[in-house]
Amino acid sequence: QVQLQESGPGLVKPSETLSLTCTVSGGSISTYYWSWIRQPPGRGLEWIGYIYHSGSTNYNPSLKSRVTISVDTSKNQFSLKLSSVTAADTAVYYCARQVVGFYYYMDVWGKGTTVTVSS
Amino acid sequence: EIVLTQSPGTLSLSPGERATLSCRASQSVSSSYLAWYQQKPGQAPRLLIYGASNRATGIPDRFSGSGSGTDFTLTISRLEPEDFAVYYCQQYGDFLTFGGGTRVEIK
Repeated sequence: QVQLQESGPGLVKPSETLSLTCTVSGGSISTYYWSWIRQPPGRGLEWIGYIYHSGSTNYNPSLKSRVTISVDTSKNQFSLKLSSVTAADTAVYYCARQVVGFYYYMDVWGKGTTVTVSS
Repeated sequence: EIVLTQSPGTLSLSPGERATLSCRASQSVSSSYLAWYQQKPGQAPRLLIYGASNRATGIPDRFSGSGSGTDFTLTISRLEPEDFAVYYCQQYGDFLTFGGGTRVEIK
């Protein structure tokens, strides 16, 4: 079955760019859409955006100016870049498989990776 | 932006009891775009319901979803010990948003 694994630095300095990668195993990335979601400590979920294997994207308007999601089909990976980070970007970051079309939902999730923004 | 408001914030119940969780949208949502997730401490969310009323693969039939328009409900018919968790609703309008969550705790 499809599994997702997030990877990247756990500590990022303020004003720098957060970079994470999600590796898809057990299936091809070229079939579904793929999302990033985050959860600040003790708080709820916030959708960041999704990408299709073609490279088309859809972003949360509140983050759009700072977010770039990209895909590397040769590596079965997709990535998140969030620029100009502040302490408010400290969160657990999840990647997920996104169903898009008649339904919209995320049915496979990675375990999440904690990113702390601090100097 | 469509805002989802979940109530109550916390639900205190005993195993075996029925849980009814509400998700209200600030404007009408397509039922096809309404999903529910369960999250336990330290774990990623798990999909329970999609399309407002369709159980995801492997989800027990004690979980059911209903509703339309602006009012949606997740019902757990008889709470099992493993059901005590936080539940989130999610919708897709112009973009995807989540409700603030309902915590179901052991009374």
